Amino acid sequence: DTEVTQTPKHLVMGMTNKKSLKCEQHMGHRAMYWYKQKAKKPPELMFVYSYEKLSINESVPSRFSPECPNSSLLNLHLHALQPEDSALYLCASSQQGTGFGNTIYFGEGSWLTVV
Amino acid sequence: DAKTTQPPSMDCAEGRAANLPCNHSTISGNEYVYWYRQIHSQGPQYIIHGLKNNETNEMASLIITEDRKSSTLILPHATLRDTAVYYCIVRSTSYDKVIFGPGTSLSVIP
Repeated sequence: DTEVTQTPKHLVMGMTNKKSLKCEQHMGHRAMYWYKQKAKKPPELMFVYSYEKLSINESVPSRFSPECPNSSLLNLHLHALQPEDSALYLCASSQQGTGFGNTIYFGEGSWLTVV
Repeated sequence: DAKTTQPPSMDCAEGRAANLPCNHSTISGNEYVYWYRQIHSQGPQYIIHGLKNNETNEMASLIITEDRKSSTLILPHATLRDTAVYYCIVRSTSYDKVIFGPGTSLSVIP
């Protein structure tokens, strides 16, 4: 099973709303990722959690707030977003440590529209 | 910045082999080559990865040159469902920062 589950699949929110995107995996992976993808562009890394601690923040604006409540769950809290934040948000996970590579598995994404 | 370069687009006739090249001339000894594809509006799908040996699975084959500076993903019998953007990525397992380049948009033509 290589499934990463993201909810909701679609979200429309106003610029003053507070909402959250959720991600779950049950593969025992200890690294989890958030990516943002605009139309016709490659995914852009936002955050990386390693062993439930934030290890990489790619200078993401504070209106995006990640949270990793446990090793299986990853949230992205959204507040005071702008219309230009409308995009596909992708969650991913991977095992840690060495070996024959540690494949990153992606969810299907959450489509966010900010109005 | 992405560590790979790929042609922006390619066409392939249905039923023929699709050969997608990738240059990664600055690859380090502990970095793996990964291939993903993304079909419109879906999350990236893992295809295959390798370190220095050629690899094959049920989806594709990966050929890595001896100097490891380039690789080729081979889809042996392309179908219309293989139309997608294909991303070549280099990744060290000791470092979680994985950056996507622009990828190659493959169109499989009937």
